[in-house]
Amino acid sequence: NAGVTQTPKFRILKIGQSMTLQCAQDMNHNYMYWYRQDPGMGLKLIYYSVGAGITDKGEVPNGYNVSRSTTEDFPLRLELAAPSQTSVYFCASSEGTGNTIYFGEGSWLTVV
Amino acid sequence: AQSVTQPDIHITVSEGASLELRCNYSYGATPYLFWYVQSPGQGLQLLLKYFSGDTLVQGIKGFEAEFKRSQSSFNLRKPSVHWSDAAEYFCAVGLMFSGGYNKLIFGAGTRLAVHP
Repeated sequence: NAGVTQTPKFRILKIGQSMTLQCAQDMNHNYMYWYRQDPGMGLKLIYYSVGAGITDKGEVPNGYNVSRSTTEDFPLRLELAAPSQTSVYFCASSEGTGNTIYFGEGSWLTVV
Repeated sequence: AQSVTQPDIHITVSEGASLELRCNYSYGATPYLFWYVQSPGQGLQLLLKYFSGDTLVQGIKGFEAEFKRSQSSFNLRKPSVHWSDAAEYFCAVGLMFSGGYNKLIFGAGTRLAVHP
């Protein structure tokens, strides 16, 4: 019963490097999301997807890219990492509109 | 614009005492409402949710929340707090759009400390 799985759990990046945060769900959910969590700020939506091949920007998309080639996977790409991207990243999924959103355990990213 | 306000950044209670965490939202229609809990270094776990119907909803771990439309509030309560309840609690509003997707707007969170 894996649910939403994120990798890696921890990562340190140097300024200007790139990396991809992986997210996979095994619940056959159509909707997937990427959030970032900064201290005292709650969670902010970066990108979301309503199905394979469909993605759209959330509240804070700058500096990130996503793709959704399959229902199961929703990777988040950071290009040219900046210190402002130091955060905890959460992937989430839901079955459809009005349904509960399930979260992964988070990925802690530090950019130095 | 839609928003969620959790007025209390940090709350400390004694073990066994009652607890109420406040949440107010700003949204034109009846929203979907959620409370999530996050333990240190962990992801978010759903405590309870309100979609429609009875305005008093029961959740896991002995928590309950009451939706009050007139006050735009969805406060979380627990009659007797346990030390293991120490965590950060997030209220969230689920927004429906014409495109049909479900988006969560989160409050900034309330950090709960429990004294023995």
